[in-house]
Amino acid sequence: DAGVTQSPTHLIKTRGQQVTLRCSPKSGHDTVSWYQQALGQGPQFIFQYYEEEERQRGNFPDRFSGHQFPNYSSELNVNALLLGDSALYLCASSTDRGYYGYTFGSGTRLTVV
Amino acid sequence: EDQVTQSPEALRLQEGESSSLNCSYTVSGLRGLFWYRQDPGKGPEFLFTLYSAGEEKEKERLKATLTKKESFLHITAPKPEDSATYLCAVQAGKDSSYKLIFGSGTRLLVRP
Repeated sequence: DAGVTQSPTHLIKTRGQQVTLRCSPKSGHDTVSWYQQALGQGPQFIFQYYEEEERQRGNFPDRFSGHQFPNYSSELNVNALLLGDSALYLCASSTDRGYYGYTFGSGTRLTVV
Repeated sequence: EDQVTQSPEALRLQEGESSSLNCSYTVSGLRGLFWYRQDPGKGPEFLFTLYSAGEEKEKERLKATLTKKESFLHITAPKPEDSATYLCAVQAGKDSSYKLIFGSGTRLLVRP
């Protein structure tokens, strides 16, 4: 049974560019959340998607946007990249909007130069 | 403001030397407290969920406990393969919030 799948695993972008990260949730899961994890820190909540809508959002600027597709997979888009956006981006999936916890993917390491 | 604080930041143990990791939290109506293990360059791996004060859960050498203000992750007779960062997270019960609020983690190194 495949868990949460994220792509790509690593990515290098230049300041000002745009990036799209992808996530396929664990089989049977309908909720996808995105987190940003800076080096040495705990993950920070970006937003959560449920039934193809953004249900909750953390303290991130509008440069961060997302989408959920009918098959529950999701994309995270970041526009006008800044050096400070360099981090590990984690996708987490769950049922019931996360009441029983989340399964995390291995993440996408984004480096902005 | 909802907040999670983990201590110590780093912990070095000899193989077989038992210890505890602490997670203190302030949250408006705790829905659940989660412990995750994270290996370098990987995503967090789920360990336990605790929902109410007094609850305890065990898995191999790990035991998690919960009070109204903090949680402990007890590691009994650790092995080198237990070396990892251990993350604590809470889910608040207010405003239908389902996001996880994480601490900064405890980096555990178990030496043979």
